[in-house]
Amino acid sequence: GDSVTQMEGPVTLSEEAFLTINCTYTATGYPSLFWYVQYPGEGLQLLLKATKADDKGSNKGFEATYRKETTSFHLEKGSVQVSDSAVYFCALSLRDGNNRLAFGKGNQVVVIP
Amino acid sequence: DGGITQSPKYLFRKEGQNVTLSCEQNLNHDAMYWYRQDPGQGLRLIYYSQIVNDFQKGDIAEGYSVSREKKESFPLTVTSAQKNPTAFYLCASRDRVAVNTEAFFGQGTRLTVV
Repeated sequence: GDSVTQMEGPVTLSEEAFLTINCTYTATGYPSLFWYVQYPGEGLQLLLKATKADDKGSNKGFEATYRKETTSFHLEKGSVQVSDSAVYFCALSLRDGNNRLAFGKGNQVVVIP
Repeated sequence: DGGITQSPKYLFRKEGQNVTLSCEQNLNHDAMYWYRQDPGQGLRLIYYSQIVNDFQKGDIAEGYSVSREKKESFPLTVTSAQKNPTAFYLCASRDRVAVNTEAFFGQGTRLTVV
């Protein structure tokens, strides 16, 4: 079935370091792809999205490019801040009329001052 | 302001009790969803509804029930048949027609069995 795979384990890095979180997907059609962020004790907020191949989503210094050839949507930020500490989820949505969203397991990011 | 409201924020349940989690949205979205979040397991879909008076089981529907009598409301009941209900529950809504749009989430309800 359709699924999203995120890299294992939490990510700990120092302030101003470069962040990459890997996301790959398996889908029979042409999904839309999303990154969501969750701060402690809260719901999810959309961070960025891309709806077709080669699209680049960007927001708050974060970027991700929809790579159809590698079925990937990796999240990157050039210089992280302590306030970026959160859990990040990759998700996909198929255009099959079911309107379902499939989420990865999420990655805890901890930025140390 | 438009958005999704979940209540209560914290809920405690005794063994054998049914409890109902509330989810209300004023975004005029047709589609609504319930997810369960456990540490290290991400979000798992419990139930979803694309239109009033219709809903479908997600991946982990056993022990849960829902209703969709109004467009704005999609309450989730955690029944006594759910053996491990302690978790963080998230409600979301989405525009059913524009499938490229994102889902909007509530702030969540943390349910604990005592």
